[in-house]
Amino acid sequence: EVQLLESGGGLVQPGGSLRLSCAASGFTFSNRAMSWVRQAPGKGLEWVSAISGRSERTYYADSVKGRFSISRDNSKNTLFLQMNSLRAEDTAIYYCAKPPRGEVTGEFDYWGQGTLVTVSS
Amino acid sequence: QSALTQPASVSGSPGQSITISCTGTNSNIGTYNYVSWYQQHPGKAPKLMIYDVSNRPSGVSNRFSGSKSADTASLTISGLQAEDEADYYCSSYTGSSTAVVFGGGTKLTVL
Repeated sequence: EVQLLESGGGLVQPGGSLRLSCAASGFTFSNRAMSWVRQAPGKGLEWVSAISGRSERTYYADSVKGRFSISRDNSKNTLFLQMNSLRAEDTAIYYCAKPPRGEVTGEFDYWGQGTLVTVSS
Repeated sequence: QSALTQPASVSGSPGQSITISCTGTNSNIGTYNYVSWYQQHPGKAPKLMIYDVSNRPSGVSNRFSGSKSADTASLTISGLQAEDEADYYCSSYTGSSTAVVFGGGTKLTVL
């Protein structure tokens, strides 16, 4: 059974940093590109970032480029999102999402339960 | 403003069919067949309903179908049921460094 378990969310002040983790199981993690998708309170889904299976390529939304960094540890089946220079508009539930195929296609067949990040003073 | 445009809301009565449109450009939907649709109930994670424009994952009812014409994708739900009431989102691959775009979402109300 595929499982994605996010952690690391919480309350942080504007300008602060936070590191999210996503522990994956039930599939061959290193064969799959992975993504982070967020959802601000009462708003729609916004894709944030993606990383190829062996970390050769990374992709970012314009809204987070230069502030967020995606990475993965295939030996631990874990995906990360390092978030720096956080702003109020980064407040959202952050989901870890897996594609049905190996590459980045923008399609996600499994999602985690999400972790809430609140940026506020 | 989302890169893909969806109607904010649609509604239908039980048993009826509805269609939700998702309009992009030739930089996303018009070029790539990596179009997917998600259903999201309040407080829950999104669920994949359609991928590759028209494919249904195992376990998704055949009442859900997808299609594409030029820069616009569509999700059709036939035989509406009360449990179909949810938010629906489309997404597309872009082939650029900003690899994925979502629509703004459509709230489906079953009357």
